[in-house]
Order: sequence, then C-alpha cells, then structure tokens
Amino acid sequence: AQSVAQPEDQVNVAEGNPLTVKCTYSVSGNPYLFWYVQYPNRGLQFLLKYITGDNLVKGSYGFEAEFNKSQTSFHLKKPSALVSDSALYFCAVRDLKYGNKLVFGAGTILRVKS
Amino acid sequence: DTAVSQTPKYLVTQMGNDKSIKCEQNLGHDTMYWYKQDSKKFLKIMFSYNNKELIINETVPNRFSPKSPDKAHLNLHINSLELGDSAVYFCASSQDSTGANVLTFGAGSRLTVL
Repeated sequence: AQSVAQPEDQVNVAEGNPLTVKCTYSVSGNPYLFWYVQYPNRGLQFLLKYITGDNLVKGSYGFEAEFNKSQTSFHLKKPSALVSDSALYFCAVRDLKYGNKLVFGAGTILRVKS
Repeated sequence: DTAVSQTPKYLVTQMGNDKSIKCEQNLGHDTMYWYKQDSKKFLKIMFSYNNKELIINETVPNRFSPKSPDKAHLNLHINSLELGDSAVYFCASSQDSTGANVLTFGAGSRLTVL
C-alpha cells in the first residue's frame, strides 16, 4: 500500500464555504504527518504538522487538520475558504519503513471560486 | 534574505549536455534534500545529506551526482541530459534528519531538455 494517499485530484469549493482536502496514510509505527501548499511557480510552504499530542492541529492561514488514528486519516480543513487559498496541497508522512524519509502524496488542486 | 536559494531558476539545454544546479541555505540546518517534481506535479525525493554525508540515495540514474561541500550547500550535477530529466528540481532543508522537522523549500529550478 502507498504510504500516503490523496484520493481527490481536485476539490472545488465556493468562497466562504468550508473546505476539506483528504489524506489517508499507511505506515509502520506512529506517523509524522504534514501538510504543505504550493502556489504556482513557487516552492512548497509548510502549513501544519502532527507529531504527537492533540489530534486537532492548527496551522497557517486558518487551516487545521485532524489526526484520526482509527481511520488513518489526516484531512485538511478550513471553515471558510478564500479565493487566495486556491493552490496545490500536498500531504506527507514520515514512514519508518523508508527510514526517516518524508513521502509526499500526489497532491490535490484546490479551486475556490468567488 | 531567502532562506533556501537555488540557482539557476530556469535551465534550457540540449540532450546530452551536462548541467548543474546550486542550492544554499542560511537557516543553520543540518539536513538538505533534492526533490524532483514531474509534469504531473508528483514530488519524489532524490537525495538527502546530513552534515555533508549522504543519507538518502533513491533509485536515481548515476548521471545525477549530488555534492555537499559544507552543510549549507548542496549542489546537483546532471550528466548526459535526457528528455525525461525535464522537471522542476527543488532543494529543501530541515533542522535534522529525524523526519519530524519542517522542510523549507527553495523556489525550484525548472529544467527543460530539448
């Protein structure tokens, strides 16, 4: 199984509506989970991470994610989407099976329409 | 000051040529990485160095040779370029190699092989 999966190639949402970008993982041991965002022609920027502690993690730009061990998920959420949130979002996980390497999902394009 | 800087930003070259991409980080991080992002935006790690020592070496053709003269620099040299090498190459750094720390990415170097 893939270490990390983002089941949606693209998510469309209207401005002001809540958004969810899905991520599931399959790793040995406790996962270290990350979300990064990539704007056009830019490098990836860190949004948030879960290592240990509270399952609900708050990050940059009003984003949050919930670590759900039973569902092996780490979905990214925001209560009210902005047009400027439109970008490519990557979930990543450290999988001990591959040493300390960070494995990235295939990415999900988020389009927020006004 | 840019935290992780890569040069050049764009390279256009002919098949069979040799090219280099340079990367420098001023964050005092111990670990540096090269990632390749293909035309479908899939991101894959190529190499990782920790304090100038190679720690991750993915299944990459030996035409690709990384070099880390010190822990602030990680360069990538590519010999005998092929069409399939066309991609965006991202340099990144992190505080250490545990996989628990945030990666800071450069802006990318877009390589086009004609």
